[in-house]
Amino acid sequence: AQSVTQLDSHVSVSEGTPVLLRCNYSSSYSPSLFWYVQHPNKGLQLLLKYTSAATLVKGINGFEAEFKKSETSFHLTKPSAHMSDAAEYFCASMNTGFQKLVFGTGTRLLVSP
Amino acid sequence: DTGVSQNPRHKITKRGQNVTFRCDPISEHNRLYWYRQTLGQGPEFLTYFQNEAQLEKSRLLSDRFSAERPKGSFSTLEIQRTEQGDSAMYLCASSGTDRGFAGYTFGSGTRLTVV
Repeated sequence: AQSVTQLDSHVSVSEGTPVLLRCNYSSSYSPSLFWYVQHPNKGLQLLLKYTSAATLVKGINGFEAEFKKSETSFHLTKPSAHMSDAAEYFCASMNTGFQKLVFGTGTRLLVSP
Repeated sequence: DTGVSQNPRHKITKRGQNVTFRCDPISEHNRLYWYRQTLGQGPEFLTYFQNEAQLEKSRLLSDRFSAERPKGSFSTLEIQRTEQGDSAMYLCASSGTDRGFAGYTFGSGTRLTVV
């Protein structure tokens, strides 16, 4: 069975400093992996996805993630945080059947001035 | 393309009442999904439609829950005899098979509060 673990429930950074949100996956095969962002009272917005192409994936708003099979990780990074990045971030994996997403429990990113 | 639309945005109901939510997917998308998100958790899969056929249901979807997608267009999720544990955000998403994994779009959700 596939599962996703987000290692930090909260991450606090200062504006202009790097962001690292950690995600580990468990799957018996190479999964498709995703990062979503959720602002308060909003739906989920796709940041980026990995679907067995390039292991370094670039997404929107300056975010990127690297798929590391040896570490079963898919960490999300951004070189410089903006105040507008403050939100909840979800890592998710997808099976190859009917495209059901399995989400982690989320990481709340706090950005201070 | 106005995205995935969900109504109502918020619903407060008394325990034991029935509620129904509606989801209007992106018009050309033939796949539709319902997820439930409780406070502090990631969304959990509830059910999935391809066109009008309901192809998968989670164990989370007890017999008090029913979902339909008549004519393969909009979908409704009904909860009968609501319980306080049903309080959550109910998210709908749609995707098109021709766009593979890229075509998964979420609505803004319906927040249910059972008092």
